[in-house]
Amino acid sequence: DVKVTQSSRYLVKRTGEKVFLECVQDMDHENMFWYRQDPGLGLRLIYFSYDVKMKEKGDIPEGYSVSREKKERFSLILESASTNQTSMYLCASSLGGRGNTEAFFGQGTRLTVV
Amino acid sequence: SQKIEQNSEALNIQEGKTATLTCNYTNYSPAYLQWYRQDPGRGPVFLLLIRENEKEKRKERLKVTFDTTLKQSLFHITASQPADSATYLCALDEGNQGGKLIFGQGTELSVKP
Repeated sequence: DVKVTQSSRYLVKRTGEKVFLECVQDMDHENMFWYRQDPGLGLRLIYFSYDVKMKEKGDIPEGYSVSREKKERFSLILESASTNQTSMYLCASSLGGRGNTEAFFGQGTRLTVV
Repeated sequence: SQKIEQNSEALNIQEGKTATLTCNYTNYSPAYLQWYRQDPGRGPVFLLLIRENEKEKRKERLKVTFDTTLKQSLFHITASQPADSATYLCALDEGNQGGKLIFGQGTELSVKP
């Protein structure tokens, strides 16, 4: 079974801190994604990557950056955390190639910025 | 503007009935459409994928239809059970590089015994 593991289930950070959210997948997937999920707004794509060292902006990249130095690991960085970044963050991966976009999600990280 | 809409209200049905969830989209051209299940506090789990040239897909008690003319997908759960209670999300895949998916907001389904 594909496993997508996020480094933390719950995080509490202070405003202005630099925050790292880590995600690792174990099935050699090409594509990796970071979403945030908020009540009433659904899943919104922050960044995605379809190859090592490649990254593409999603719909809401402002205030975030990403890093993909190895195929299995995709990190989300909040450069200077703000209270409006309090949310559930979900990492996902998919195999890649046309039609192979079934996404496997991690368990989520609930981030609170105080 | 581009939009994906699912049933805005929560859906409450009796055990044993068929649940029907709707996903409508505007100004997208999906090559594939997917459905996911999400339980509270957990990540979504993939259920079914249907291609643009397929009208219908089935898996056990689940059935998905895809009408590219109406720009709509219907998701059916037959003989529903309380364990089917969850939020169901549709996702569009336009077939672009990177496998980017665009998700609807989801419909909360509650199946009462």
